[in-house]
Amino acid sequence: QKEVEQNSGPLSVPEGAIASLNCTYSDRGSQSFFWYRQYSGKSPELIMSIYSNGDKEDGRFTAQLNKASQYVSLLIRDSQPSDSATYLCAVNGGGATNKLIFGTGTLLAVQP
Amino acid sequence: DAGVTQSPTHLIKTRGQQVTLRCSPKSGHDTVSWYQQALGQGPQFIFQYYEEEERQRGNFPDRFSGHQFPNYSSELNVNALLLGDSALYLCASSLDRGGNSPLHFGNGTRLTVT
Repeated sequence: QKEVEQNSGPLSVPEGAIASLNCTYSDRGSQSFFWYRQYSGKSPELIMSIYSNGDKEDGRFTAQLNKASQYVSLLIRDSQPSDSATYLCAVNGGGATNKLIFGTGTLLAVQP
Repeated sequence: DAGVTQSPTHLIKTRGQQVTLRCSPKSGHDTVSWYQQALGQGPQFIFQYYEEEERQRGNFPDRFSGHQFPNYSSELNVNALLLGDSALYLCASSLDRGGNSPLHFGNGTRLTVT
């Protein structure tokens, strides 16, 4: 059973701080990794994708991938109350397709 | 540029009934995937359609079936509804089926089975 694990939270950070969200996955064959943001009652919204080891930055977001440790993380700098949402880590289910396996998500709460 | 659109937004059905959910992919996308998201859980893969055929299927019973039309739109059908089928059903489209091709989700259909 291929799995993606996330701490369900809530992760509470003060406004302006760095939020660090973590994810581990079980399938060493996974090649593609995604972070989605989901506001309560809404659908997931893609915010980052990463395919190779190292860091990838996009605005206030940085995704980090370590395939040897089977670990993906998302850093949010200068956190804002509008960042409060559930963050879903998703990993492609092995092979060459984009079937995704999702974690249960981490609830982030940014305190004003 | 219209994104992924799903209909209806909400639906209430009774156990044993059948339901059909509809999805139009983002412009330029030819691959449609369906996911089920129960409350407090991450989305779970149901199946994926490409070139009007089911290409991959997750761990869902045959009560769940689908279709893709020549214009790439798709339907999800669920027969003999159970209370446990209550969930948010998400349609996602992508440029292709490649592992690096991100999924773009629609707003979902909230199905309640009573």
